Amino acid sequence: DIQMTQSPSTLSASVGDRVTITCRASQSISGWLAWYQQKPGKAPKLLIYDASSLQSGVPSRFSGSGSGTEFTLTISSLQPDDVATYYCHQHNHLHTFGLGTKVEI
Amino acid sequence: EVQLLESGGGLVQPGGSLRLSCAASGFTFNSNAISWVRQTAGKGLEWISASSADGTGRYYADSVKGRFTISRDNSRNTVYLQMIGLRVEDTAVYYCARENGAYPRNWFDAWGQGTQVTVSS
Repeated sequence: DIQMTQSPSTLSASVGDRVTITCRASQSISGWLAWYQQKPGKAPKLLIYDASSLQSGVPSRFSGSGSGTEFTLTISSLQPDDVATYYCHQHNHLHTFGLGTKVEI
Repeated sequence: EVQLLESGGGLVQPGGSLRLSCAASGFTFNSNAISWVRQTAGKGLEWISASSADGTGRYYADSVKGRFTISRDNSRNTVYLQMIGLRVEDTAVYYCARENGAYPRNWFDAWGQGTQVTVSS
């Protein structure tokens, strides 16, 4: 099984800060990685697919990069509405999620 | 508008059974694989099962293999998850999610609102 290691588990930043979350796969997953945002009591929401493609309707301050085993999600200028937990998701072989990164302001 | 609506959750005793349903609308249902993903309180997301678009491919996480069965009725635009031998550790919110493709090797581009399953005596 492919394991996904996400870091940090919690992140505290200020409005306007650049924020980076990292996800590492236990083996190469090529570019088969997605990122989701989840707010309390809500279902996850797709932000990024294919490692770097922005889902329609998602603000351009979100971006993704990486391939193989190392991936990052970047929020270029953190906004109050971005307070949430973020998950990476590999779908190269079935599905595995990272444990999540809680972003606080 | 793509919509997924889960139902069938509830309180069940250990060893009991439940059947979850995921009713879909707003898209061509037989074009997309559908997965079930669960989330325990305060914890992360765990993929547990997927059905290919035509229903012939069924996939399970080791944690539920042999206890859970996924099926779909494309005439009713519904996916089911039959759960037997439920354990306390199966307590979670269960989401169904649409995959962006016919086989379970894609990202999830739509999610239901979730249904709570509680296994307790």
